[in-house]
Amino acid sequence: GENVEQHPSTLSVQEGDSAVIKCTYSDSASNYFPWYKQELGKGPQLIIDIRSNVGEKKDQRIAVTLNKTAKHFSLHITETQPEDSAVYFCAPSMDTGRRALTFGSGTRLQVQP
Amino acid sequence: DSGVTQTPKHLITATGQRVTLRCSPRSGDLSVYWYQQSLDQGLQFLIQYYNGEERAKGNILERFSAQQFPDLHSELNLSSLELGDSALYFCASSVPTNNEQFFGPGTRLTVL
Repeated sequence: GENVEQHPSTLSVQEGDSAVIKCTYSDSASNYFPWYKQELGKGPQLIIDIRSNVGEKKDQRIAVTLNKTAKHFSLHITETQPEDSAVYFCAPSMDTGRRALTFGSGTRLQVQP
Repeated sequence: DSGVTQTPKHLITATGQRVTLRCSPRSGDLSVYWYQQSLDQGLQFLIQYYNGEERAKGNILERFSAQQFPDLHSELNLSSLELGDSALYFCASSVPTNNEQFFGPGTRLTVL
């Protein structure tokens, strides 16, 4: 099965700074790399994902970069805002549909105003 | 709002009891997944159904079972509850063609 490591476990930044969270996986067959955001009292929300045929994907202030050779991918948040404060999870998998996700242990991001 | 609904939102019960958690997937999604989130174990996959049939099992205890009905809603049954079963239980759904999973708001189970 997939072994997933996520770092750091906690991250505190000042509003306006950038934040980077890294996810390392073990299964070289993985080809789908999502990031989820979980706010307090809510379910995980898919915020961005990337498939292995591309190296980077951006959506406004968030981006995901993939290094398939080294088996890691990262979430980048620029110009952080207090509403970015949440727990972020990576969940690499095979994009075949009908496949359970193996989640990283999560990164608690705190954006200080 | 992901389009996935779960009921109830909160459930408080006693050890030894049995409870049923309900999930309705997004319209058109055939796959339903159940996950458990606890402080010490993180988000863990329990079981998956696809169009009414069980597709995969994860770390699901024998005391737990699930089913998916013809209208595609799913129920997770937890029996002989123990204190350690206290957790958040999430349901997610996805389309058949890729692995984008959309999560419901969860059910918080407290076993006293």
